[in-house]
Amino acid sequence: ILNVEQSPQSLHVQEGDSTNFTCSFPSSNFYALHWYRWETAKSPEALFVMTLNGDEKKKGRISATLNTKEGYSYLYIKGSQPEDSATYLCALKEGGSNYKLTFGKGTLLTVNP
Amino acid sequence: EPEVTQTPSHQVTQMGQEVILRCVPISNHLYFYWYRQILGQKVEFLVSFYNNEISEKSEIFDDQFSVERPDGSNFTLKIRSTKLEDSAMYFCASRTGTSNYEQYFGPGTRLTVT
Repeated sequence: ILNVEQSPQSLHVQEGDSTNFTCSFPSSNFYALHWYRWETAKSPEALFVMTLNGDEKKKGRISATLNTKEGYSYLYIKGSQPEDSATYLCALKEGGSNYKLTFGKGTLLTVNP
Repeated sequence: EPEVTQTPSHQVTQMGQEVILRCVPISNHLYFYWYRQILGQKVEFLVSFYNNEISEKSEIFDDQFSVERPDGSNFTLKIRSTKLEDSAMYFCASRTGTSNYEQYFGPGTRLTVT
């Protein structure tokens, strides 16, 4: 069974703090790693799709890195704002499948004003 | 911006009843998916659909489940005889094609089986 793990499960930070969380996955048969931002009652929003070892992607205050050899990705949020409060999901696509995603359990971020 | 829509947002049904969950994927997308999340657990893959047929399904997707694209816009998930353990949030997703990896998700349908 393919296991994608995220840590921490939840995180409370103050407005203005920078934060980061981890997604770890089996490094064999890697194809792509997705990050999503999910607010309750809304659609999960695609943040990044990462495919290459050493990839770094950035979208505003949010950035992500990828290490496929050791099987992890970090998501960073610089200067957290209350509107960043959401669950951040990572999902792995392995080689050979019809693009099904295997998700981690998510990190619930709460940013206090 | 185009988006995936799902109806209803919440469905309550009795055990043994049939339910149909509906999705309208983004119009130029070719690949369609259903996922579900049981409360407190991970989002899990159910089925992928391309060119009017199932391309892959998980072991969860047994004979009680079926999918259909009855016209050019809708994509449905049918559960023939619901069980208590089918209670979950069901997400539809779609993507354009082989060169674009991004899957776009709908807001989900919360199914409650009583």
